[in-house]
Amino acid sequence: GAGVSQSPSNKVTEKGKDVELRCDPISGHTALYWYRQSLGQGLEFLIYFQGNSAPDKSGLPSDRFSAERTGGSVSTLTIQRTQQEDSAVYLCASSPRGMETQYFGPGTRLLVL
Amino acid sequence: GDSVTQMEGPVTLSEEAFLTINCTYTATGYPSLFWYVQYPGEGLQLLLKATKADDKGSNKGFEATYRKETTSFHLEKGSVQVSDSAVYFCALSNSNSGYALNFGKGTSLLVTP
Repeated sequence: GAGVSQSPSNKVTEKGKDVELRCDPISGHTALYWYRQSLGQGLEFLIYFQGNSAPDKSGLPSDRFSAERTGGSVSTLTIQRTQQEDSAVYLCASSPRGMETQYFGPGTRLLVL
Repeated sequence: GDSVTQMEGPVTLSEEAFLTINCTYTATGYPSLFWYVQYPGEGLQLLLKATKADDKGSNKGFEATYRKETTSFHLEKGSVQVSDSAVYFCALSNSNSGYALNFGKGTSLLVTP
């Protein structure tokens, strides 16, 4: 079946612009996770959803970052007023209910100039 | 909070050599432990996992045993191949953080013919 998909695969933006990153989880998976992979910080957890609810937003690096999930499916990660340190690969993963294996998407490579 | 420490790389081995990548963790409660692998140009894939103490995860000739007494989950393979060249990430998940994955910094492995 279809895996986790993310769009766009690559995004180049100018400092100060807003960007939206999209994640389509595996159908039927109620848990969805966002991570960031960068050279300096390794793999960092950002936020997770159980259904449409995000119980813990403490992993978001700053208030410029926000995320939502609608219909228990698609999720969008929004970065406002992007900074160069936001450059990274943003990864999305889903799992059936949360405690099981997480399946990762291919990521969105974000470059902020 | 929870954390994962894994040995620094890069690790360079000749084909058919024995591989060990060390991983230790700090966590409250009863975490699950994972090894993920990232092959060049590809996304993160689950390699193996263990959900309770003394469990052994295995896949593709790789093994790791969940040792609660030493808080370790070392990855081993008896005879590596060139195709095993990749970055390996140790990770844990815990119910108190919605099962979000907490990753180590990754160990790059290069296997030469």
